[in-house]
Amino acid sequence: DSGVTQTPKHLITATGQRVTLRCSPRSGDLSVYWYQQSLDQGLQFLIQYYNGEERAKGNILERFSAQQFPDLHSELNLSSLELGDSALYFCASSSAGQGGYGYTFGSGTRLTVV
Amino acid sequence: GQSLEQPSEVTAVEGAIVQINCTYQTSGFYGLSWYQQHDGGAPTFLSYNALDGLEETGRFSSFLSRSDSYGYLLLQELQMKDSASYFCAVGSSGSARQLTFGSGTQLTVLP
Repeated sequence: DSGVTQTPKHLITATGQRVTLRCSPRSGDLSVYWYQQSLDQGLQFLIQYYNGEERAKGNILERFSAQQFPDLHSELNLSSLELGDSALYFCASSSAGQGGYGYTFGSGTRLTVV
Repeated sequence: GQSLEQPSEVTAVEGAIVQINCTYQTSGFYGLSWYQQHDGGAPTFLSYNALDGLEETGRFSSFLSRSDSYGYLLLQELQMKDSASYFCAVGSSGSARQLTFGSGTQLTVLP
């Protein structure tokens, strides 16, 4: 157990639907990052939150949004889903150690859009 | 922007040594990290180099040359369980600390 909790582990849904992925960071970590990994692809940065505020945005589609709550858990909302959104979605948290670049990843949510 | 290049596949035999190279282009360099990912699993942090030189952690070592925009991950005494994907990543400028990952190197360790 890495200390970063993601739910659900698997999600199967139809095109056009909306889903919410949840992430609880490691205790004490204020930063949460969301990454998308499509089949045999690298990790694409989506968005980062720090202590409740959006800190950085990557290649996140307008159909996707996220937020971080006062208890530091984060949710990634994916709407109007398309087949191409099928992927592994990881969240990670980090502390000040390793320059802030030593991420701890959750086990991911595997999203399948049918 | 930032871009990284690493080989897509490397194969080696158990007990051998393998080196996975990574070259990067970035505006503003904030360290090179390495992550390991087994099939379908979570990426796990291996090492972080902010300064030039070699960092050793057990069987794994990581090297950085900032003047050459180059680094490598060295795995010694390979074991079957080392078969995985290995990603190099560079950090962003500013306070965000987000990582840009390379496309990954699939290491296969043969008996």
